Amino acid sequence: GQSLEQPSEVTAVEGAIVQINCTYQTSGFYGLSWYQQHDGGAPTFLSYNALDGLEETGRFSSFLSRSDSYGYLLLQELQMKDSASYFCAVIRGSYIPTFGRGTSLIVHP
Amino acid sequence: NAGVTQTPKFRVLKTGQSMTLLCAQDMNHEYMYWYRQDPGMGLRLIHYSVGEGTTAKGEVPDGYNVSRLKKQNFLLGLESAAPSQTSVYFCASSYSGRKNIQYFGAGTRLSVL
Repeated sequence: GQSLEQPSEVTAVEGAIVQINCTYQTSGFYGLSWYQQHDGGAPTFLSYNALDGLEETGRFSSFLSRSDSYGYLLLQELQMKDSASYFCAVIRGSYIPTFGRGTSLIVHP
Repeated sequence: NAGVTQTPKFRVLKTGQSMTLLCAQDMNHEYMYWYRQDPGMGLRLIHYSVGEGTTAKGEVPDGYNVSRLKKQNFLLGLESAAPSQTSVYFCASSYSGRKNIQYFGAGTRLSVL
């Protein structure tokens, strides 16, 4: 079977750096995606890692270690608008994603 | 460019009633998906389609049916609604060349009483 683990909640202050971890167990692994979802809104794509290493997109970066079945999303210079839920999703051979349960990020002033 | 549009946005049903949720995308995407989202459960795949006329079961297909008669539309049907189907339903689509990126609709909030 498959499983993904990510923390249910993370809190941080404005301007800080926060890391949201995701560990997974699956067969036929292709890559790891991250999505952001604000309360009442639709999930939006943030990043995708197919290879080991760090992918940077502005204030957001995503990391993958295939040998450790582990990835993380790094958010820098936190802003209040970053308060949202963040989902990791494993992409397998059919490119059908399996989502984690999500991490609620709360940014305090 | 509207992207992915879901109708209706809200609906209340009585147990046993039927309804159809419509998803339409104007990006010419081949892949389309239906998810349900419940508190603390993340997004769970109900059914998906890799092209016009094709459908496949996802993680939680029981109680739902789908059809993809036109490339731009993906319908989700509930034949006999149950309270356990109270949820937020999201449709998504992706391009075959970038299947790892999904574009989501705004969601349909369904309550079954």
